[in-house]
Amino acid sequence: DVKVTQSSRYLVKRTGEKVFLECVQDMDHENMFWYRQDPGLGLRLIYFSYDVKMKEKGDIPEGYSVSREKKERFSLILESASTNQTSMYLCAIRGGAGYEQYFGPGTRLTVT
Amino acid sequence: QQQVKQSPQSLIVQKGGISIINCAYENTAFDYFPWYQQFPGKGPALLIAIRPDVSEKKEGRFTISFNKSAKQFSLHIMDSQPGDSATYFCAASMDSGGSQGNLIFGKGTKLSVKP
Repeated sequence: DVKVTQSSRYLVKRTGEKVFLECVQDMDHENMFWYRQDPGLGLRLIYFSYDVKMKEKGDIPEGYSVSREKKERFSLILESASTNQTSMYLCAIRGGAGYEQYFGPGTRLTVT
Repeated sequence: QQQVKQSPQSLIVQKGGISIINCAYENTAFDYFPWYQQFPGKGPALLIAIRPDVSEKKEGRFTISFNKSAKQFSLHIMDSQPGDSATYFCAASMDSGGSQGNLIFGKGTKLSVKP
C-alpha cells in the first residue's frame, strides 16, 4: 500500500508565525504535490516537485514556499502565516507510468 | 481552458438509488479522468479512472461514462448506500507540456445517501 504521512493532523498557529508542514512518502516516487482544500473551491495546487531540490509553482503559490532536500520528504512553508491561510492542506505523490495521485490524510491548519 | 466544471454541488439520494455526478472540461488535450472519494477527516482516495479511448468503465457499483464529443464525463453509483456518503471530486490531466500530468480538480460534490 502507498503510504503518505503528514506531520500533524491539526495545527493552530498565530498570525505572523512561520509554519512548517511536512509530508513523507515511503514509495520512492519522484513527484510530490501540496494542495489546499477549501469548501466550495475544491483542491488547489500550491507547489509541486519532480525531484530533489526541484520545485514548481502551482496555481496559488503566493504566501508559500517549499523545500525538498530528500526524495521522500516535501515540506510546505508559510513564511508569515495569515488568517486567510486557514485551510486543509493535503500532500500527494505520483510515480511510475500512470497519473494516479495518492493523498495523505491532510493537516487542518487554523491561523488565529 | 484548464477548468473542470463539476455538478451538482450537493446531492441527496435514497438508499438503493442511483447517484449521478457530472463533469465537463474544455481542453481536448486532457487524456486521463479520475474520480476521487473523500470521507470527512481523510484525504481523497482514487476511486476509478478512465482514458478517452473507452466510453465506459465499471468497477463494482461505480461506473464512469465518458462522452468525448461533448467533453463530459460522469460518475454513476448504483444501489447507493449510506456508506457512500462522501465528497466526490472529478479531475483531468494531460501528459504534455510543463504540467507533466498534474491533475485539475472539479470543486466537488457532497453526496448524502439517506437510509
